[in-house]
Amino acid sequence: KQEVTQIPAALSVPEGENLVLNCSFTDSAIYNLQWFRQDPGKGLTSLLLIQSSQREQTSGRLNASLDKSSGRSTLYIAASQPGDSATYLCAVHYGGSQGNLIFGKGTKLSVKP
Amino acid sequence: DGGITQSPKYLFRKEGQNVTLSCEQNLNHDAMYWYRQDPGQGLRLIYYSQIVNDFQKGDIAEGYSVSREKKESFPLTVTSAQKNPTAFYLCASSIARNNEQFFGPGTRLTVL
Repeated sequence: KQEVTQIPAALSVPEGENLVLNCSFTDSAIYNLQWFRQDPGKGLTSLLLIQSSQREQTSGRLNASLDKSSGRSTLYIAASQPGDSATYLCAVHYGGSQGNLIFGKGTKLSVKP
Repeated sequence: DGGITQSPKYLFRKEGQNVTLSCEQNLNHDAMYWYRQDPGQGLRLIYYSQIVNDFQKGDIAEGYSVSREKKESFPLTVTSAQKNPTAFYLCASSIARNNEQFFGPGTRLTVL
């Protein structure tokens, strides 16, 4: 069964800290991987998309890496700010006929001023 | 502005009622999806459509129905056969299957 796991489920850090969110997937034959941000009661905002042939993607203070062989992806957030507080979701495409994403349960991040 | 809109933002359903959730996109995307989000669980796929007039069941389609008569629109009906419909419903679209997905703001459905 294809599963996506995110650890930790919740994380609290002081403002300014660099942090890493983890995502692991059971089947390494992925097509691509997306990281999302979700604020309470809101929809998902796409942060980064990594194709299976790529090792990392960067957008501003965010950097996502992908290691297919070990079934892992990390989202690095530099110089965290209170506005970064949200739930971060990792989702994997396996390139199947459905084309849907397999989601982890998310990491709830709180950045304290 | 290009994007995905969902309406209503909040919806209340009485027992035995069917309700329809709207999803519209102006991104010219071929593929559209409906996901359900419950507390403590990952998003789960209800239905998806890769092209107009075609749609397929996802992992939890029982008690739901959809239509795709126009490229821009993919409404979801929650029928009385859905035993536990209280959840947050999210619509998404992508240029084509397996491409980057973009999400709407969601509809929160509550059964009274």
